[in-house]
Amino acid sequence: DAGVIQSPRHEVTEMGQEVTLRCKPISGHNSLFWYRQTMMRGLELLIYFNNNVPIDDSGMPEDRFSAKMPNASFSTLKIQPSEPRDSAVYFCASSFNRANYGYTFGSGTRLTVV
Amino acid sequence: AQSVAQPEDQVNVAEGNPLTVKCTYSVSGNPYLFWYVQYPNRGLQFLLKYITGDNLVKGSYGFEAEFNKSQTSFHLKKPSALVSDSALYFCAVSNTDKLIFGTGTRLQVFP
Repeated sequence: DAGVIQSPRHEVTEMGQEVTLRCKPISGHNSLFWYRQTMMRGLELLIYFNNNVPIDDSGMPEDRFSAKMPNASFSTLKIQPSEPRDSAVYFCASSFNRANYGYTFGSGTRLTVV
Repeated sequence: AQSVAQPEDQVNVAEGNPLTVKCTYSVSGNPYLFWYVQYPNRGLQFLLKYITGDNLVKGSYGFEAEFNKSQTSFHLKKPSALVSDSALYFCAVSNTDKLIFGTGTRLQVFP
């Protein structure tokens, strides 16, 4: 099993540009979570999906952030337009049957907005 | 509402000594508890979990955790620390839909 796959690993972009982060969950997992990690705010849950349906997006900081899960094997997190304060490491995690079995995390995407 | 507290931002220990990373929780009902470790520039990795049964749970890399219902604690322990154990450790509790993570404790093991 290749685990949770995130791309790209690193992204550097200019303020105002659109950024798209991608995630492929583990096959058979039906829940997917997007997290953001910074030194100041720690680990923040942005949004999560169950069976491809967004369940809770209350952690999405602003309307500039959007996430989709068009099928069971792919999800995107988009920031448009990006701002320097969006610089962080973004993690995707997947699980079987929500949270009681724990998560498997991807390696993350380090986003730098200049 | 479920919550997790990790009271120590950092724990320092000498190599070869036992280590403890503390975690307390607040849940309604039976808790599902987890420990994750994050090495530099990596994602969080699962260490161990408690769902039911024996209060002492053994996990990866020689770590174990003790579930204490009366003290609502789930402390992470290892009998003999290694320099390679230096990392960021997160405690988490499940509310069924999602994991609630603590703020993390940085473990530094000195040679």
